[in-house]
Amino acid sequence: NAGVTQTPKFRVLKTGQSMTLLCAQDMNHEYMYWYRQDPGMGLRLIHYSVGEGTTAKGEVPDGYNVSRLKKQNFLLGLESAAPSQTSVYFCASGLAGTTYEQYFGPGTRLTVT
Amino acid sequence: QKEVEQDPGPLSVPEGAIVSLNCTYSNSAFQYFMWYRQYSRKGPELLMYTYSSGNKEDGRFTAQVDKSSKYISLFIRDSQPSDSATYLCAMKPQGGATNKLIFGTGTLLAVQP
Repeated sequence: NAGVTQTPKFRVLKTGQSMTLLCAQDMNHEYMYWYRQDPGMGLRLIHYSVGEGTTAKGEVPDGYNVSRLKKQNFLLGLESAAPSQTSVYFCASGLAGTTYEQYFGPGTRLTVT
Repeated sequence: QKEVEQDPGPLSVPEGAIVSLNCTYSNSAFQYFMWYRQYSRKGPELLMYTYSSGNKEDGRFTAQVDKSSKYISLFIRDSQPSDSATYLCAMKPQGGATNKLIFGTGTLLAVQP
């Protein structure tokens, strides 16, 4: 099992460019999450999904969109990147019945210049 | 005021020392208390969890929850250089359909050989 994988690992964007981050999990988890991690701010939830075809906003959703067309994939899109979106992005997944454990991917380091 | 507060450190200790890591919180509805460990440039992984109040021990690690004081702790005995990482506390209330976690900002621990 690969667990949770994220593509790409690193990316540099110019302001105004768009990109999509891909998260894939092979554990048949119902729930998936996108976080950003910034120094001094900890992990902040951007968007999450409780099942295929459903998404919801988290704590810091502005400037991001998501889609979950397949149970195993969760995509995070930046339509017009801004320097404030420079961060490390983590995807996580979890079972619906497990209330405390989330499995994290290795992260994507994004720099917006 | 953040719902979960955690001293960011860094905390530097000699090998073999007892380490105490702490978080305070303000939401009395929190019932699940987790500690995640994050090595440099990796995703967080669950280390321990506790439901409601009390202690839980796993090898060299002990998690304590004091709900009356809204204070949780993680103790590491006989600390090793391999324990050097960022430790994130996380919490969630009972129930809820999304299993969203609230994370602290993390404490960076360095164990010196």
